[in-house]
Amino acid sequence: NAGVTQTPKFQVLKTGQSMTLQCAQDMNHNSMYWYRQDPGMGLRLIYYSASEGTTDKGEVPNGYNVSRLNKREFSLRLESAAPSQTSVYFCASTTLGVGGYTFGSGTRLTVV
Amino acid sequence: QKEVEQDPGPLSVPEGAIVSLNCTYSNSAFQYFMWYRQYSRKGPELLMYTYSSGNKEDGRFTAQVDKSSKYISLFIRDSQPSDSATYLCAMRIITGGGNKLTFGTGTQLKVEL
Repeated sequence: NAGVTQTPKFQVLKTGQSMTLQCAQDMNHNSMYWYRQDPGMGLRLIYYSASEGTTDKGEVPNGYNVSRLNKREFSLRLESAAPSQTSVYFCASTTLGVGGYTFGSGTRLTVV
Repeated sequence: QKEVEQDPGPLSVPEGAIVSLNCTYSNSAFQYFMWYRQYSRKGPELLMYTYSSGNKEDGRFTAQVDKSSKYISLFIRDSQPSDSATYLCAMRIITGGGNKLTFGTGTQLKVEL
């Protein structure tokens, strides 16, 4: 089925460990986004890539890095995980111009 | 002050009720308005999308935008238990800005039998 695929779905990390969250879309969308969702805080933008070859910081970029590997794939890396990064992470994509986002099913990350 | 304000609820209604969900915003540059539905432990899915002021209807759902008041609403008629979810409003400017959406925090809705 067409859409946004995120891996892994669940992950537990120890403080200080690193990991990469993967995201791929097969809708030929230009723009891709990483959000985190926390209770009472809503969806907060971490990083985004308006088009292949570009990346920009969002609202809460500290502690994260991203790579737009190609038009389909956009990864999020935690270099040294902290308990404050415990959250649900969503990847989304959209085409240029009008239109809403298509979201992935999320990655539930716990940092202990 | 947040750019988009949304009452978090929870909102509990009986089956068959009309539900009204609302958001206010402060940035007059917002021109596209959306409503997303998010079931528990799932990603948000686009429900309604509108550009202009006025009403847009899709089945039991009606999206209403009042740009002069910076106020948007989602109405659900004949609500069903399957409508129980968190509803997020979202909005963006016309061009540029990387097509970024600004989201409300979401309103949790429970429709009871």
